[in-house]
Amino acid sequence: QQQVKQSPQSLIVQKGGISIINCAYENTAFDYFPWYQQFPGKGPALLIAIRPDVSEKKEGRFTISFNKSAKQFSLHIMDSQPGDSATYFCAAYSGSARQLTFGSGTQLTVLP
Amino acid sequence: DGGITQSPKYLFRKEGQNVTLSCEQNLNHDAMYWYRQDPGQGLRLIYYSQIVNDFQKGDIAEGYSVSREKKESFPLTVTSAQKNPTAFYLCATRDRTNYGYTFGSGTRLTVV
Repeated sequence: QQQVKQSPQSLIVQKGGISIINCAYENTAFDYFPWYQQFPGKGPALLIAIRPDVSEKKEGRFTISFNKSAKQFSLHIMDSQPGDSATYFCAAYSGSARQLTFGSGTQLTVLP
Repeated sequence: DGGITQSPKYLFRKEGQNVTLSCEQNLNHDAMYWYRQDPGQGLRLIYYSQIVNDFQKGDIAEGYSVSREKKESFPLTVTSAQKNPTAFYLCATRDRTNYGYTFGSGTRLTVV
């Protein structure tokens, strides 16, 4: 059962462009929504996170937009750089279950 | 990575063998998790432990076993019952005051 749906599976963007990755969830008990960045052969690293009482959070070139009523959230990478090329995972945390549920991942390639 | 040591980095298993993957942390985090990562399938939860001497099955526990005898250590054994063990295995920890996970650098297991 896939509780967090992520799209697209892969994304190719030109340097300087905007990368947008979308996620949708079903469980209204989720109360924390992080994004992870993973480079080949490495473990995922926390990139940015948001709680459902906030509609947007920005950290540098990375922004999370959150729509609680639609149960959707997205990651925007502004001024995308080749060094941003990685796999990105959205996730949702349930305090009652005390564990994260991950999306299926998006492989981002930023062309120089 | 971030105080989590996974070893070995690469592991080769013969058919019918049991192998144990090590995960050690010095972050003093209470919760520890094991995930399996296959291409295009994101992260799937194998086992998790919230406290010492206690652990629960995740979504794909069949063919795996764990122990949590010390707070710092959460080894994963891949048994011969796991028919398709070739994958990238990730260990993660979580502090009780924080929803975010910290991941290790992973172990790539290959059946030969």
